[in-house]
Amino acid sequence: QLQLQESGPGLVKPSETLSLTCTVSGGSISSSSYYWGWIRQPPGKGLEWIGSIYYSGSTYYNPSLKSRVTISVDTSKNQFSLKLSSVTAADTAVYYCARLVRGYDSNYYYYMDVWGKGTTVTVSS
Amino acid sequence: SYVLTQPPSVSVAPGQTARITCGGNNIGSKSVHWYQQKPGQAPVLVVYDDSDRPSGIPERFSGSNSGNTATLTISRVEAGDEADYYCQVWDSSSDHRGVFGGGTKLTVL
Repeated sequence: QLQLQESGPGLVKPSETLSLTCTVSGGSISSSSYYWGWIRQPPGKGLEWIGSIYYSGSTYYNPSLKSRVTISVDTSKNQFSLKLSSVTAADTAVYYCARLVRGYDSNYYYYMDVWGKGTTVTVSS
Repeated sequence: SYVLTQPPSVSVAPGQTARITCGGNNIGSKSVHWYQQKPGQAPVLVVYDDSDRPSGIPERFSGSNSGNTATLTISRVEAGDEADYYCQVWDSSSDHRGVFGGGTKLTVL
């Protein structure tokens, strides 16, 4: 059974870089069928897609965060990671990692079928 | 950028049918996916590709998508269905990105 687990600091100072890792167990991150992604949820608010990565390193980023986001993959460790630079209080959220399934209906599309439990990150001095 | 609009809340009595809508420009041309999120928990996929159910999701959950509106229908609503529900599509028009609706709080009266 596939499981995803987020890890990283729960507290980050303003202007610094948020770094999280998602460890995939029960399956290979190098599967050709899936992308891997990050989604966040500020307190009391809805879901926001951050970005996603293929095992080869190909990425998609949310345009609103693109200048600050880097997602990378380490296939040898079956992990992928998120870095978000120059954080502010607005980046305080629960961060989820997820597996993305690809479909096709004249264009490729993706949806999240397996999610990690999430990790809370607070930006505060 | 593509926008999905959901009603903030829907209320229904146990045993009745709940319908949660997701509006978007020509959303019928996209594949829509639905997630259930209970307090303090990660989202769970309940419907994908407009109307398919993942393994383990009750048949009471169904979906449809046409024109400018997609709908998640929950039949014979139970107290345990009380949760936030989010629709999601993939926007391939410019930057490829995931788009979520704002979420709908389902209250079981």
